Amino acid sequence: GNSVTQMEGPVTLSEEAFLTINCTYTATGYPSLFWYVQYPGEGLQLLLKATKADDKGSNKGFEATYRKETTSFHLEKGSVQVSDSAVYFCALRASYDKVIFGPGTSLSVIP
Amino acid sequence: DGGITQSPKYLFRKEGQNVTLSCEQNLNHDAMYWYRQDPGQGLRLIYYSQIVNDFQKGDIAEGYSVSREKKESFPLTVTSAQKNPTAFYLCASTPTGWEEKLFFGSGTQLSVL
Repeated sequence: GNSVTQMEGPVTLSEEAFLTINCTYTATGYPSLFWYVQYPGEGLQLLLKATKADDKGSNKGFEATYRKETTSFHLEKGSVQVSDSAVYFCALRASYDKVIFGPGTSLSVIP
Repeated sequence: DGGITQSPKYLFRKEGQNVTLSCEQNLNHDAMYWYRQDPGQGLRLIYYSQIVNDFQKGDIAEGYSVSREKKESFPLTVTSAQKNPTAFYLCASTPTGWEEKLFFGSGTQLSVL
């Protein structure tokens, strides 16, 4: 079946550090891949997405590239800020009905 | 503005009581979902619906029930059979299509008195 694996935190970084959160997936066919972000006490919101191999999604300084050969969609940001502290979820959609989420990675950025 | 609204934001349940969480969307989306989130955990799918008057069980449907009488509304009832209901509940909607994102509500925190 379809599944998403991502590095589990918590991850703690100093402000302006480089961020990588690893995400790998297992799916039949050609899924769309997503990164969602959740701030405390709120719902999830889309951060970025990619719908086919080699696509790069980007938003607010975050980037992720759809790598079919390694079945990965790692999230990166060159310089994190305190305001980036949140939980990040990798997800895939391989059918018209279900979306599969990873377990989430908690990020704390300290000044 | 279009969006998805969950209410109430906080809800308390007594032993043996059923409670209903509301989810309304004005985005004209066909598909709607209910997820449960426990502290420090990921999202687990409870129920989902692709069209009016039809819905399917997710991974943890026991102790929950839903209805989809209108396209805009997808209420979730947490029944007394759910012995550990304390969690953060998230409703989402989406257009059909593999490239489409989920739109989430702001969630309901359910606690047991």
